[in-house]
Amino acid sequence: EDQVTQSPEALRLQEGESSSLNCSYTVSGLRGLFWYRQDPGKGPEFLFTLYSAGEEKEKERLKATLTKKESFLHITAPKPEDSATYLCAVQASFQKLVFGTGTRLLVSP
Amino acid sequence: EAQVTQNPRYLITVTGKKLTVTCSQNMNHEYMSWYRQDPGLGLRQIYYSMNVEVTDKGDVPEGYKVSRKEKRNFPLILESPSPNQTSLYFCASSLPPSGGSYNEQFFGPGTRLTVL
Repeated sequence: EDQVTQSPEALRLQEGESSSLNCSYTVSGLRGLFWYRQDPGKGPEFLFTLYSAGEEKEKERLKATLTKKESFLHITAPKPEDSATYLCAVQASFQKLVFGTGTRLLVSP
Repeated sequence: EAQVTQNPRYLITVTGKKLTVTCSQNMNHEYMSWYRQDPGLGLRQIYYSMNVEVTDKGDVPEGYKVSRKEKRNFPLILESPSPNQTSLYFCASSLPPSGGSYNEQFFGPGTRLTVL
């Protein structure tokens, strides 16, 4: 069964305190791993797509990496505006996108 | 502005009263999907559509119907809503895959539905 597990469920950081979010997955054939950001009361907003092990992508303070079993979202020197829920999803098969339950990140000034 | 719109944004209804949640996108995307989001369960796909008149079930289709008569619109229909359909609903759209690579989905702002 295709499955995505994110950890931790919640993370509290001080401004400037770098950390990583984990996304572990089991899927029969990975056709893409996606990271989204979701703010309260809003729809998920696309951040990154990774397709193969070893691939890395960066955007401002965020960097996503991928191995054969997991992906990490590294947050360097976070700011309060980075506070959100971060969702990981895998494209398991044709039009089937399996989401994790997310990591709630709170960055305090 | 490229966007996915949903209406209504909030809805409180009673058991058994038919309702429709509309979804429209202005990006000329072929693919559209409906998801529900529940605490502790994440986003789960209800139905998806690959193009006009082509729809299929996702992981949790029971109690829902969809139609795709126009490329831009993908309404979600609850013919006899029940309290267990109380949830946050999202519509999403995307381009079809190219070269085996899947494209990101663009999500609407969500519809919060309460069924009493």
